Amino acid sequence: TQLLEQSPQFLSIQEGENLTVYCNSSSVFSSLQWYRQEPGEGPVLLVTVVTGGEVKKLKRLTFQFGDARKDSSLHITAAQPGDTGLYLCAGAAGANNLFFGTGTRLTVIP
Amino acid sequence: NAGVTQTPKFQVLKTGQSMTLQCAQDMNHEYMSWYRQDPGMGLRLIHYSVGAGITDQGEVPNGYNVSRSTTEDFPLRLLSAAPSQTSVYFCASSYSPLGGAGEKLFFGSGTQLSVL
Repeated sequence: TQLLEQSPQFLSIQEGENLTVYCNSSSVFSSLQWYRQEPGEGPVLLVTVVTGGEVKKLKRLTFQFGDARKDSSLHITAAQPGDTGLYLCAGAAGANNLFFGTGTRLTVIP
Repeated sequence: NAGVTQTPKFQVLKTGQSMTLQCAQDMNHEYMSWYRQDPGMGLRLIHYSVGAGITDQGEVPNGYNVSRSTTEDFPLRLLSAAPSQTSVYFCASSYSPLGGAGEKLFFGSGTQLSVL
């Protein structure tokens, strides 16, 4: 089992604030994904990063893959209530081996 | 657009009972998989399939059986339910047979299972 630790586990912030969520592992991954999950639903893919050091932006969300491909971060600028949800990172290590992180539950208060 | 459909949405079982969780996708995806989600542990892979007639074990396969007779369907069977199998179960699919290796996964809305 390749453990992906996410921090923080819970995060509650006011609308308009910025935040960063971290996904760390001692293992190297060929690619890393971020998903968002809302209550009663399955996860929905936000982004896939594949190159060490890669940065991808999705509107107010910025994703970075670590140079060594062992870690990743998700930064949200000016958080909105619609950003509320469970954020999951997932690392791919070989064919059909996708390991999910422990999750960060974000609440954005209006 | 149906995508990945899971049934039932909720289920309560007694210890020792058996049941089948249904999963169907209408996207002609080769790869299908089952995950369980437990608090503080993320999603863990139970079984997966890279095409009709082909299945393999994931990280936590004990107590679960699968089969893939068609491209569309991938049922998960609990042979003798135990309280440790209380969890939320998700089915996922991907176009690529390497669906577990960084390809986009499409998830169903989950089945919440309680075993008493």
